[in-house]
Amino acid sequence: AQSVTQPDIHITVSEGASLELRCNYSYGATPYLFWYVQSPGQGLQLLLKYFSGDTLVQGIKGFEAEFKRSQSSFNLRKPSVHWSDAAEYFCAVGEGYSSASKIIFGSGTRLSIRP
Amino acid sequence: KAGVTQTPRYLIKTRGQQVTLSCSPISGHRSVSWYQQTPGQGLQFLFEYFSETQRNKGNFPGRFSGRQFSNSRSEMNVSTLELGDSALYLCASSLEAEQFFGPGTRLTVL
Repeated sequence: AQSVTQPDIHITVSEGASLELRCNYSYGATPYLFWYVQSPGQGLQLLLKYFSGDTLVQGIKGFEAEFKRSQSSFNLRKPSVHWSDAAEYFCAVGEGYSSASKIIFGSGTRLSIRP
Repeated sequence: KAGVTQTPRYLIKTRGQQVTLSCSPISGHRSVSWYQQTPGQGLQFLFEYFSETQRNKGNFPGRFSGRQFSNSRSEMNVSTLELGDSALYLCASSLEAEQFFGPGTRLTVL
């Protein structure tokens, strides 16, 4: 069965510092991969997605992620975090008829920003 | 273009009651998926509807059901509510390989 692992439950970084959130997936074929962000009391917002092609994908809000098939990883990065980046981040893999009609989510990583 | 809307935003029910949640997808989107989010279990897929037919189903008991109308609006129903059904229920609509989420309905079961 497909699964997504986010090994870090909570990460705290200083404002202006770089960020890397880890994600590993288990999927038989070429996965459709996503990163979502959720602010308190809000729904989920798509940061970026990988379907095929260039393994380094750019997203919104200055985020990027790199797909590494050999490591089954899709880590999210940002060179300089802002206080507004504090939120919960979810890595996910898509499956189903359109490869996204069913999303399998990781358990999430809560990001706190130190002033 | 308007986003995914969910009504109501908040609900309080008691054990044994039933509840119906509504989701209006983005115009033109024919697929609607539902998810349950709890602190203990995280985000879990409930089911997906496409053109009024259930196309995918997660591992939830039969108390959880849904339907989709010809205008793609979807409802989910939970019968005989249990305390453990307290959660944020998220709806998402998709056109191709990308889902757009609504703000969710917060259900509290007392």
